[in-house]
Amino acid sequence: QVQLQESGPGLVKPSQTLSLTCTVSGGSISSDDFYWSWVRQPAGKGLEWIGRILPSGRTNYNPSLESRVTISIDTSKNQFSLKLSSVTAADTAVYYCARDRAYFDTSLGYWGQGTLVTVSS
Amino acid sequence: DIVLTQSPGTLSLSPGERATLSCRASQSVSSSFLAWYQQKPGQAPRLLMYGAYSRATGIPDRFSGSGSGTDFTLTISRLEAEDFAMYYCQQYGISPWTFGQGTKVEIK
Repeated sequence: QVQLQESGPGLVKPSQTLSLTCTVSGGSISSDDFYWSWVRQPAGKGLEWIGRILPSGRTNYNPSLESRVTISIDTSKNQFSLKLSSVTAADTAVYYCARDRAYFDTSLGYWGQGTLVTVSS
Repeated sequence: DIVLTQSPGTLSLSPGERATLSCRASQSVSSSFLAWYQQKPGQAPRLLMYGAYSRATGIPDRFSGSGSGTDFTLTISRLEAEDFAMYYCQQYGISPWTFGQGTKVEIK
């Protein structure tokens, strides 16, 4: 059973870069069968898809965040990462990493538990 | 972006009752790319339905999905205690993937 776990600083200062890592266990991240995604959720609000990556490096980003987002992958460590630059208080949210349900279906079938990132000085 | 509007915002029902949740899209969505998620407080979302009609692994058959085009429905035939939660629809056919704002199913 694939498991995902987010990690990274819980507090980031305004204008700095938010950096999170998702560590995958129970399966290899190397197969190009699956996209690996990031989703966020401000407190008390809905879900926002940030973007996704294939192990080959192909990425898709939400245009609303594209100018500030970089998603990368390290197959040797079975991890993928999120960087969000120039953060403001509006970027305060729980950040989730997730994986496609199956290679032919890109609904989000596997999720990490989420990590809260607060943007504050 | 495709905007998904869920209704009602809150559904107050008793255990054993039927729940009908609606998800309306701002433009046509292929039913192959419509999903429903359940989220409980402090937990990650859990995939319930994919491809509009198919239950994810381990999801009981009291959950069913229907609809096409711009109108989709999640039905819970008989609510059980563990079903009281937040529910989100999502389209993943046209980038960026988008979610509805959610429907809260609460105990009456």
